[in-house]
Amino acid sequence: QLQLQESGPGLVKPSETLSLTCTVSGGSITTTSYYWGWFRQPPGKGLEWIGSIYYSVGTYYNPSLKSRVSISEDTSKNEISLNLTSVTAADTAVYYCAREGAITAAADYWGQGTLVTVSP
Amino acid sequence: QSVLTQPPSVSAAPGQKVTISCSGSSSNIGNNYVSWYQQLPGTAPKLLIYENNKRPSGLPDRFSGSKSGTSATLGITGLQTGDEAYYYCGTWDSSLRAARVFGGGTKLTVL
Repeated sequence: QLQLQESGPGLVKPSETLSLTCTVSGGSITTTSYYWGWFRQPPGKGLEWIGSIYYSVGTYYNPSLKSRVSISEDTSKNEISLNLTSVTAADTAVYYCAREGAITAAADYWGQGTLVTVSP
Repeated sequence: QSVLTQPPSVSAAPGQKVTISCSGSSSNIGNNYVSWYQQLPGTAPKLLIYENNKRPSGLPDRFSGSKSGTSATLGITGLQTGDEAYYYCGTWDSSLRAARVFGGGTKLTVL
């Protein structure tokens, strides 16, 4: 059974970099049948796509976040990482990683999510 | 402001049927597959519908999806109190270099 688990600091100071890791078990991130994506949800608000990575092909980012986001993979650890620079209070959200179909873009497996608060 | 438009809320009685609409444009819904997600309080989204109208294995057929032109619809029959949740539609947007876009979410209340 595929499982995804987000990890990282729950509190980040304004202007610093938010760094999260998604550890995938029960499947390999090197499959070309799926993307691996990051999403977020500010408290009380809807879902927002941050970006996705497709093994050996490349990364795709939300245009509104593109200047601050980077997503990378560590195949030796079967992990996907997210870095978001110059954070502000508006970046406070629950952050999720998920597996997305390469053709459908449907996210069929999600991590439980991790709350990241941006505060001094 | 979400790229896809959903009604903020819908409601119906237990056992009844409800539909949730999702409106977009030719660059997103009109030319790409639509997915639907259910989000119960405090939990991660759960995929309900993919490729416009397909259900993941194990999902009851009370849930259905359809697409016509630049709009999509999620249908839920035989409503249960456990269906009370937020529902989101999502798809690609070809004009935004393969960006994923979502609706703002619809709160379903089972009266």
